[in-house]
Amino acid sequence: QQPVQSPQAVILREGEDAVINCSSSKALYSVHWYRQKHGEAPVFLMILLKGGEQKGHEKISASFNEKKQQSSLYLTASQLSYSGTYFCGTGAGNQFYFGTGTSLTVIP
Amino acid sequence: NAGVMQNPRHLVRRRGQEARLRCSPMKGHSHVYWYRQLPEEGLKFMVYLQKENIIDESGMPKERFSAEFPKEGPSILRIQQVVRGDSAAYFCASSPPSIGSNTEAFFGQGTRLTVV
Repeated sequence: QQPVQSPQAVILREGEDAVINCSSSKALYSVHWYRQKHGEAPVFLMILLKGGEQKGHEKISASFNEKKQQSSLYLTASQLSYSGTYFCGTGAGNQFYFGTGTSLTVIP
Repeated sequence: NAGVMQNPRHLVRRRGQEARLRCSPMKGHSHVYWYRQLPEEGLKFMVYLQKENIIDESGMPKERFSAEFPKEGPSILRIQQVVRGDSAAYFCASSPPSIGSNTEAFFGQGTRLTVV
């Protein structure tokens, strides 16, 4: 039930781009993305609903392909503040599960 | 409207004792999820509950762990006879009934359990 994210971890230099993928074995209705800073609770970033939707949040954007049952989070021109663990959350019917997480570290 | 409240924030137990973790969802939220996070690792799904009903407990260890979400009061995650390997951060999240619509799930601050 729990969606799988890839990669598990990534290290970037400031200004580089990254893509985080989230795949589910079940048909999806919605995808949520969260970021967790060390020692804190995950914080909501954005939600994508069914329909091939794309959204952006500052330099962080995401796409949702319900046919492939997957979503991707795009981080462009990364900043030090982007460091953290990113989780997708997938909704299918009345059920909702968070992904395995991707640790992102941005270094100067 | 207070957020998801978890208590205690930190809990220390000796091996063999019981740990009881509480989660009060946001007002109007009837769905609760429990996740365990080991140091430097991701969120591992444990259980998904609605009031008075366990929807999915496929992530719960078969022994020593139980969860409930009564009609009144917070959701409780109970760990009996704790062992060192139970040391982790336990996060609770809550959502309204229609999570598939334009809403989000909110996380609590977590309970950090340390077994000594």
